[in-house]
Amino acid sequence: EVQLVESGGGLVQPGGSLRLSCSTSGFAFSSYFMTWVRQAPGKGLEWVANINQDGTEKHYVDSVKGRFSISRDNAKKSLSLQMSSLRADDTATYYCVGGAGWTGDFWGQGTLVAVSS
Amino acid sequence: EIVLTQSPGTLSLSPGERATLSCRASQSVPKNYLAWYQQKPGQAPRLVIYDAVNRATGIPDRFSGSGSGTDFTLTITRLEPEDFAVYFCQQCATSPLTFGGGTRVEIK
Repeated sequence: EVQLVESGGGLVQPGGSLRLSCSTSGFAFSSYFMTWVRQAPGKGLEWVANINQDGTEKHYVDSVKGRFSISRDNAKKSLSLQMSSLRADDTATYYCVGGAGWTGDFWGQGTLVAVSS
Repeated sequence: EIVLTQSPGTLSLSPGERATLSCRASQSVPKNYLAWYQQKPGQAPRLVIYDAVNRATGIPDRFSGSGSGTDFTLTITRLEPEDFAVYFCQQCATSPLTFGGGTRVEIK
C-alpha cells in the first residue's frame, strides 16, 4: 500500500521558519518525481515546488523562490520542504505528492501550516 | 505561465445525470499533459485522469477525459453519490505546474 505521511506543520509567527517532512512507503521512491502542493483554507490547489528523482532538478512557484527549499533523501525515502521568512499568505495545508512524471499519482493527507502572530 | 480556467464554477445535478466539466488553457499544453483530480471535503485530492485521456488506477469507467491543445473536458456519464466533489485540472508539462480554480459538482 502506498503511503505518504507529512509532518512538521504547526503555528509559526510571521518571519519564522518551519521544516516539513514527508515519509513514504509502498512505492519505488527513488524512481518518482516528488512535489509539494498547498491549499489555503477554503481555496484551490497551488503547486509549490517539485524535485526530480535524483534531486538535481528543482522548481519553485515564484511566490516562494528564495524562501523555500525542497530536498529529498532517497535512502530514507523521504521528502522535505524547508520554509523560511514565512508570511500570512503561506498559511495552508501542505500536501506531499509523488508521481511517475509530474502528475500527482499519490498524495499524502497533508499537514497544516498556520502563519500568525 | 499556463493559466487554466475551469467552468462552470458549480454544477448542480442529480444522481444518474451526466456531468461535463471544462478546463481551458491560456496556451497549448505540451504533449497534452493535463490531469484531473477529485477532492472530497476533508480529504486529499485523488488523481482521476492523466495525460488528458487516461483513467488512473481504480477509477471507474464512467469517468472519461478528452481534449487536446487548449481545451479539455472531464465527463462523468452517470453520476453516483460518491462522485459529488470538487474537481481540479492541472497542467503537468511546464513549470509552474498550474491548477485550475476547480468545479464543484453538487447534488441538485
